[in-house]
Amino acid sequence: DAGVIQSPRHEVTEMGQEVTLRCKPISGHDYLFWYRQTMMRGLELLIYFNNNVPIDDSGMPEDRFSAKMPNASFSTLKIQPSEPRDSAVYFCASRNRQGANTGELFFGEGSRLTVL
Amino acid sequence: AQKVTQAQTEISVVEKEDVTLDCVYETRDTTYYLFWYKQPPSGELVFLIRRNSFDEQNEISGRYSWNFQKSTSSFNFTITASQVVDSAVYFCALSEAGTGNQFYFGTGTSLTVIP
Repeated sequence: DAGVIQSPRHEVTEMGQEVTLRCKPISGHDYLFWYRQTMMRGLELLIYFNNNVPIDDSGMPEDRFSAKMPNASFSTLKIQPSEPRDSAVYFCASRNRQGANTGELFFGEGSRLTVL
Repeated sequence: AQKVTQAQTEISVVEKEDVTLDCVYETRDTTYYLFWYKQPPSGELVFLIRRNSFDEQNEISGRYSWNFQKSTSSFNFTITASQVVDSAVYFCALSEAGTGNQFYFGTGTSLTVIP
């Protein structure tokens, strides 16, 4: 079975540019999560969706960040305009409903973003 | 307050030694779930194990074993006869029934196995 697929794996951009990260969750999973990992702050939950609907976006740092899930097999995380402090590894993860909250997260390989 | 504490930032062991990674958690929920993830140098996060709060049985999977003790709020992970391929950052995580999909991750323990 295919796992969570993220693209691009690496992105280098200049400050002020728009960045779009993409994620395809595991088929059949109805929860999708976006995390950010940095040395300083570790793994931070940015936003998660249930059945394509954003449930909790309290972790989104600021208005420059937005996320969408137009269908069950695709999500995007957009940063506009990007800043050097956005440099991090962004992970997408999905899980299915095994009861209310028992399911483990399955992570993609991450998108390493560098903003110069 | 930290919900998941991994006090060991970095550990180095020589190949074939046993090593235990500590995880202490904090929760007021009676129903919760504990996880361990491995992040090898390639960067992906690999799920290793999930335990629920009602099951304190220890678990063994090959060279890996987990010791869950509610009395000390700990969920420690032991690797027996470590190998170089075990070198990675290991994360412990907690999910509470009350907050559902919020996974609280520890800061990770970086394990280096020296050949």
